[in-house]
Amino acid sequence: DQQVKQNSPSLSVQEGRISILNCDYTNSMFDYFLWYKKYPAEGPTFLISISSIKDKNEDGRFTVFLNKSAKHLSLHIVPSQPGDSAVYFCAASGRRGSGGGADGLTFGKGTHLIIQP
Amino acid sequence: KAGVTQTPRYLIKTRGQQVTLSCSPISGHRSVSWYQQTPGQGLQFLFEYFSETQRNKGNFPGRFSGRQFSNSRSEMNVSTLELGDSALYLCASSVNLAGPGETQYFGPGTRLLVL
Repeated sequence: DQQVKQNSPSLSVQEGRISILNCDYTNSMFDYFLWYKKYPAEGPTFLISISSIKDKNEDGRFTVFLNKSAKHLSLHIVPSQPGDSAVYFCAASGRRGSGGGADGLTFGKGTHLIIQP
Repeated sequence: KAGVTQTPRYLIKTRGQQVTLSCSPISGHRSVSWYQQTPGQGLQFLFEYFSETQRNKGNFPGRFSGRQFSNSRSEMNVSTLELGDSALYLCASSVNLAGPGETQYFGPGTRLLVL
């Protein structure tokens, strides 16, 4: 059962426009969410994160929105640039009940963003 | 500051063999996590090590094991390789993954092909 879902395997956006990548989760114990970007043959690169106590976090061209009641988050990239073409992964984590440490990140299957010139 | 490094980058093995992969975390990072990426299952958490102890574990069979050394470097081992173990194995480090509010930084991965 997928606890983190990215329902769009790919997304094509024109350069300069806004890219919106969506992610849904089912586990209400998740309280921290991250977006990673991945190029072929490289490991994921951290982009931006958000704690469940917030509903928005902004970093330059990247903004993440969290809607806890809908268990939905989205990543907005404005304006989109050719170098943004990559696979974007949504990830979530939550604190373990006892013993310290956190569960490993649970990832969605990724959305391949293609920025058209 | 140097990033997470993983060796080797590519590996070819045959069924039944065993393999050991190595990960050096970012300097000062004490937590190391391992993930498996396959086209069908995506990125899945294997286990996490902190202070030479396995602190957390994903849902993988006992053929997958790991360890961490006093310098925080980590190795993972897969015994009795199966064709389905072909994947990209990613290592990630963080200062101390004591809660959800910490970012993990990934290495480039080791691409394992089992024939």
